[in-house]
Amino acid sequence: QVQLQESGPGLVEPSQTLSLTCTVSGGSISSGPYYWSWIRQHPGKGLEWIGYIYYSGSTYYNPSLKSRVTMSVDTSKNQFSLKVLSVTAADTAVYYCARLYSGNYSLSFDYWGQGALVTVSS
Amino acid sequence: DIQMTQSPSSLSASVGDRVTITCRASQSIANYLNWYQQKPGKAPNLLIYSASNLQSGVPSRFSGSGSATDFTLTISSLQPEDFGAYYCQQSYSAPYTFGQGTKVEI
Repeated sequence: QVQLQESGPGLVEPSQTLSLTCTVSGGSISSGPYYWSWIRQHPGKGLEWIGYIYYSGSTYYNPSLKSRVTMSVDTSKNQFSLKVLSVTAADTAVYYCARLYSGNYSLSFDYWGQGALVTVSS
Repeated sequence: DIQMTQSPSSLSASVGDRVTITCRASQSIANYLNWYQQKPGKAPNLLIYSASNLQSGVPSRFSGSGSATDFTLTISSLQPEDFGAYYCQQSYSAPYTFGQGTKVEI
């Protein structure tokens, strides 16, 4: 059973960098047609897809955040990471890591981490 | 970006009721439409992928239909554990976008 777990600071000061890591267990991050994604949810709001990274390091970022987002992958640790630069209060959200499975004419987020609340405040 | 619009935004129903949630895309997305259930304080859980395929382990009372721009999630007989928020999501074109959600109260 694949499991994902987010980790990182729960409090970030404005203008600083938000950093989160997702550790994947129960399967290799390098196997299969999977794209490793980050999704966030503002308090009481809907879901916003931030982007994905493939195990090779190729990425796709949501244009709405592209200028401030960087993703990386460490296959030796079975982890992938997110950095959001120059954060403001508007970046306060629960951040989820998720596996995006690319199947036969399908593409869906089939496994999710439990979520990590990140608050931007001084 | 492709906009996803769900209706209703919320609904209240009784155990045993048939519940229908609709999702409309701003352009054709073929059948690249997924449905998720989210309970308070938890991550979303995939229910239906590719518009009509039941994810493994999901009860058969859940079903999905539709194509192009109009989609439906149906719960054939609402159970107490079905409360929560339901989201549609398109995976036809990045950036992948979600509907605003439908809150189901029992």
